[in-house]
This record gives sequence, structure tokens and C-alpha cells, in this order.
Amino acid sequence: SQQGEEDPQALSIQEGENATMNCSYKTSINNLQWYRQNSGRGLVHLILIRSNEREKHSGRLRVTLDTSKKSSSLLITASRAADTASYFCATVLSGGGADGLTFGKGTHLIIQP
Amino acid sequence: ETGVTQSPTHLIKTRGQQVTLRCSSQSGHNTVSWYQQALGQGPQFIFQYYREEENGRGNFPPRFSGLQFPNYSSELNVNALELDDSALYLCASSLPGQGSLNTIYFGEGSWLTVV
Repeated sequence: SQQGEEDPQALSIQEGENATMNCSYKTSINNLQWYRQNSGRGLVHLILIRSNEREKHSGRLRVTLDTSKKSSSLLITASRAADTASYFCATVLSGGGADGLTFGKGTHLIIQP
Repeated sequence: ETGVTQSPTHLIKTRGQQVTLRCSSQSGHNTVSWYQQALGQGPQFIFQYYREEENGRGNFPPRFSGLQFPNYSSELNVNALELDDSALYLCASSLPGQGSLNTIYFGEGSWLTVV
């Protein structure tokens, strides 16, 4: 079963605009991670935020985490055509990494030139 | 380029057959996990191996089994294939030391079609 749910399922914006994707999850977590997947290919790790962190930045990416609402958001600023991909949030449960990552269904992002 | 390589990239099998997928992880990565990703869905955790022992498993039946070798490469075996097993199978590896805080590196996956 999926732990997380991304919202929206699909997002289409113009190049240069900012893209925001949201993720909600159900149970207590150790950390939350965001991944990118180009069509039919492997996942690329973008950023990890621990359960005791509220915000994290990496280049054009900004991730927030609200554990009281069990939600996270990923902001991509100044989007580029190369950002077109599916984005997944994944949680590691409080018990530790042996439970693996639990992924949502993803947000499909299309950046129009 | 994550350093995780999987083979084969694509294969077609008939219902009832058995399949073996292979994964070679980055040097020094002693934790390997496998995920199944159906079309339009997020990946689902199958199981994880650490130092050649299975140490975590998702909600998959016993016909999904695995091995990890001394060089940390890994295999996923699926017996009695069903049509619903058609999916992208992803292998992921990570460094030892920080447990769940380690960056996880995914391979490009093996596309399995069951007909």
C-alpha cells in the first residue's frame, strides 16, 4: 500500500515559473525523501529531510516538512524544460530503514518551453 | 550515473515461468533493496538485503525471493509469474553506517512483461 499521496497528480507550467508539489503521509516517520524519475527510468535522489527538520534547500529545490500535519512540499524555482519528470515523495518509517522506502504515486510535472 | 547496474533492461516472459533479475551495486554498498513499480504507480518495497541476509520485506508473496552475494551484487527471483507481475523492477543500494539517513542509489531498472 502507498504511504504517501502526492498532489497534484499532474502539473503543467511554463518554463521559468515555480512548481510546487505536495505530499501527505499517514504514519510517524524517521525522514522523508524526494525523488525524480524521468520517463521509464530509474529514480534519482533529490533531497532528504529528517523528522526534526522543518525546511531544507538544495540549489533550486526547497522542501518543507510539517510533521503535525503529516505533509511535505517540494518547490522547484525557476523551472527548466529538463525538470520535466515524475516526482515522488518517500518516507522511512520510525522503525528504521529495514522497512524500505514507502512511495506515493507521484506528481507528473511538465515544463512547457 | 548512480553506479548501480541492472540486467536485463527488458524481458518478456510467459505466465507460470520463472525470472531472475540481477543487480550490481556501487562498490562498498552492502545494503541492497528491490522495488516493483507498476505503470502509473510509485515503487513498492519488495525486500532488503544486508550482508547477504534478508533484513526487511514488504507485502510480497514468497514466490518473490532474493539473494545477495559476497561482492554485494544481488538477484531477484520471481517464480510462477502472473500477469500482474508486469512492472519495472528497481534495485537500490546504499552505504553502511547511517542506516535510513543514507542516500539511496537506484539503478535504471528491468522492465518485465508477462504475457
